[in-house]
Amino acid sequence: AQSVSQHNHHVILSEAASLELGCNYSYGGTVNLFWYVQYPGQHLQLLLKYFSGDPLVKGIKGFEAEFIKSKFSFNLRKPSVQWSDTAEYFCAVKGDTNAGKSTFGDGTTLTVKP
Amino acid sequence: NAGVTQTPKFQVLKTGQSMTLQCAQDMNHEYMSWYRQDPGMGLRLIHYSVGAGITDQGEVPNGYNVSRSTTEDFPLRLLSAAPSQTSVYFCASNRGSVPHNSPLHFGNGTRLTVT
Repeated sequence: AQSVSQHNHHVILSEAASLELGCNYSYGGTVNLFWYVQYPGQHLQLLLKYFSGDPLVKGIKGFEAEFIKSKFSFNLRKPSVQWSDTAEYFCAVKGDTNAGKSTFGDGTTLTVKP
Repeated sequence: NAGVTQTPKFQVLKTGQSMTLQCAQDMNHEYMSWYRQDPGMGLRLIHYSVGAGITDQGEVPNGYNVSRSTTEDFPLRLLSAAPSQTSVYFCASNRGSVPHNSPLHFGNGTRLTVT
């Protein structure tokens, strides 16, 4: 079975602060990892994804994430957050077997103070 | 570019009523799925489909039925609504081809309240 754990439920930062959101997953095979963002009142949309190659992946709006296989982690980072980054962030995993199922973490609500 | 279209956007039901949440996608995606989103619990998979005529249960399937007669449509049926089904429901689709790194494309959600 696959599972995802996000460590921070609510993060509050000031503009220009650096961000790191933790994500750990559990899956025994080849994984595909995703970070999605949900802005207030909107649906989820993809921030970035990893499935192979360079473990440091870059996404939209200056976000990046690092896949560390030995730690089963896929942490999301941004060097300098903006007020417009206020949103809920979800880490998700999809295994190569039974790829119709994506499993999500509980989400992290990020509030950026102007 | 419609993407994934869900209807209705809002619905209020009384306990015991039935209804169908509609979902359609125009991207020719093989895979479709239904999630419910509850505060502090992320998204939980209800049912999913890897192609027309093929469906399977997710984490929280009880009280819900699905069918997939065409590639485009994947309706979710609530047979007898209960207050515990008050939630926001998202339909999603993605490509089924290898490698399985295709992200989910989400609809705008249906906010359901059961009284």
